[in-house]
Amino acid sequence: EVQLVESGGGLVQPGGSLRLSCAASGFSFSTYAMTWVRQAPGKGLEWVSTITVPGSHTYYADSVKGRFTMSRDNSRNTLFLQMTSLGVEDSATYYCSQSVPYHLVSWGQGTLVTVSS
Amino acid sequence: TVVTQEPSFSVSPGGTVTLTCGLSSGSVSTSYYPSWYQQTPGQAPRTLIYSTDTRSSGVPGRFSGSILGNKAALTITGAQADDESDYYCLLYMGSGISVFGGGTKLTVL
Repeated sequence: EVQLVESGGGLVQPGGSLRLSCAASGFSFSTYAMTWVRQAPGKGLEWVSTITVPGSHTYYADSVKGRFTMSRDNSRNTLFLQMTSLGVEDSATYYCSQSVPYHLVSWGQGTLVTVSS
Repeated sequence: TVVTQEPSFSVSPGGTVTLTCGLSSGSVSTSYYPSWYQQTPGQAPRTLIYSTDTRSSGVPGRFSGSILGNKAALTITGAQADDESDYYCLLYMGSGISVFGGGTKLTVL
């Protein structure tokens, strides 16, 4: 069974940084692209970033480009999202997703990030 | 480019409803690899349809995807009470970038 468990969310002040992790199990992690999707409270889903296999390419939404960095450690079956220069607009539940070209396959339960002073 | 969806829709139990996914500029084709996701409040999304019309594993046959005119479409035939959810489409824009639609809140009553 595919399991994706996000962690690292919490309360951070505007301008601060946070690193999210996603522990993957139940599938061959190194053979799948992975994606971060976020959802602000009461709002819709927003595609944030995707990292390819084996991690040589990353793609970002314009809203996070230059501030967020996605990476993966295939030896630890773990996905990361380093977030810097956080603003209140980055407050959201962040989901990691197992991906194949062009769509999302399985989802974690999400981790909540709150940016507030 | 904005991906457009109806903000809300209503269907009677047992009825058929078609939700659409369009572009603020241009037409949606299979080249956008439209996919559809269902989300109930407080839960993670669930993948329903990918590559326009392929049902994800375990998804009931009452869910189907297609291209209707210049939009991607999700049709629910024989709607059930537990289909009351938010539905999101995702389009692949090329160069590694994907964009979600704003979502449709479906009410079954």
